[in-house]
Amino acid sequence: DGGITQSPKYLFRKEGQNVTLSCEQNLNHDAMYWYRQDPGQGLRLIYYSQIVNDFQKGDIAEGYSVSREKKESFPLTVTSAQKNPTAFYLCASSIGSGIRETQYFGPGTRLLVL
Amino acid sequence: AQRVTQPEKLLSVFKGAPVELKCNYSYSGSPELFWYVQYSRQRLQLLLRHISRESIKGFTADLNKGETSFHLKKPFAQEEDSAMYYCALSRYSSASKIIFGSGTRLSIRP
Repeated sequence: DGGITQSPKYLFRKEGQNVTLSCEQNLNHDAMYWYRQDPGQGLRLIYYSQIVNDFQKGDIAEGYSVSREKKESFPLTVTSAQKNPTAFYLCASSIGSGIRETQYFGPGTRLLVL
Repeated sequence: AQRVTQPEKLLSVFKGAPVELKCNYSYSGSPELFWYVQYSRQRLQLLLRHISRESIKGFTADLNKGETSFHLKKPFAQEEDSAMYYCALSRYSSASKIIFGSGTRLSIRP
């Protein structure tokens, strides 16, 4: 436990509102990831960042945005363009690459739409 | 296209019975395969990776390149094994990322 924190634990969004999910890590990991977890669909990659000031779209990036201004932080914004935002969001960071990569996960944020 | 398939959404076995969680992958290169586990009220965490050829909590997984499978096995299930299990694949490249399967919920009946 520890190392990667996500806040808040629960987040409520009103229609048309942008909301930002926080992810912080003190593991000195270069790479960070955002996943969306829906029942029966497992984890789907939203965005990932291999290094500060650089990030790449994952499989379901539409309606989301990220920034990576600091190594420790990788916030995710769920914009009003995301029509079905209700889900459990997981942040991860990783050490190593390729065959040596291991991802470490945060506790998650559950986003609900009012 | 790279893909990880876990055909069973739910697997229920009795305590003491053998367990096999199926995972098949699609990848043209040399993949690195993992199993991640999420126990109730805990974070998703790495269980094992094929390159280590290790047994963790009695679980093993063998990479079968011919059948493109990486099934997770345990000879005698325990109640504490009940959890959500995800098979995952990492591309062997400098810009690697991990692709997860849809997960299998393992339920151990007493």
